[in-house]
Amino acid sequence: DVKVTQSSRYLVKRTGEKVFLECVQDMDHENMFWYRQDPGLGLRLIYFSYDVKMKEKGDIPEGYSVSREKKERFSLILESASTNQTSMYLCASSFVSGNTIYFGEGSWLTVV
Amino acid sequence: GNSVTQMEGPVTLSEEAFLTINCTYTATGYPSLFWYVQYPGEGLQLLLKATKADDKGSNKGLEATYRKETTSFHLEKGSVQVSDSAVYFCALSDRQGGSEKLVFGKGTKLTVNP
Repeated sequence: DVKVTQSSRYLVKRTGEKVFLECVQDMDHENMFWYRQDPGLGLRLIYFSYDVKMKEKGDIPEGYSVSREKKERFSLILESASTNQTSMYLCASSFVSGNTIYFGEGSWLTVV
Repeated sequence: GNSVTQMEGPVTLSEEAFLTINCTYTATGYPSLFWYVQYPGEGLQLLLKATKADDKGSNKGLEATYRKETTSFHLEKGSVQVSDSAVYFCALSDRQGGSEKLVFGKGTKLTVNP
């Protein structure tokens, strides 16, 4: 079975803190994604990566950055957390030649 | 750009009722279409998919048919159970550069009462 693991399920951070959300997949997938999920808005793509050290902006990249130093790991970084970044964050991965995307269980982030 | 529109919820049904959750899409070309399900407190799981016109995806009694003529991929089940209570997301694949990403609808929350 494909496993996408997000290291933190629940986090509470203060405004202005730097926040790291980590994601690891064990299926040698080339593509990795970060989405955020908000009520009434569905899932919105923040960033994605199709190879090590490569990244592409999604629909809502402002206030976020990403890092992909190894194929299996994709990190989402909030440089200076703000209350409007309180949300559920979902990591996902897929093969470059396939179109089924597998999700992690999500990380609930609250910024106070 | 490509987009997905699905019926807004919440939807509340009694057990054994018939379920339809509407999903229509706008896309150039012929994307693959998906339904994902999210149970409380969990991430998204792939429920079913269809990769070309007239394909039917099915899983756990839920099914959806790729209708190119109506650009639709409605989710249906003949008799729902309490265990079907979840949030359902319709999505399409969108190729950007060399990789594929998903474009999601806003989700439909389904509650099935005993």
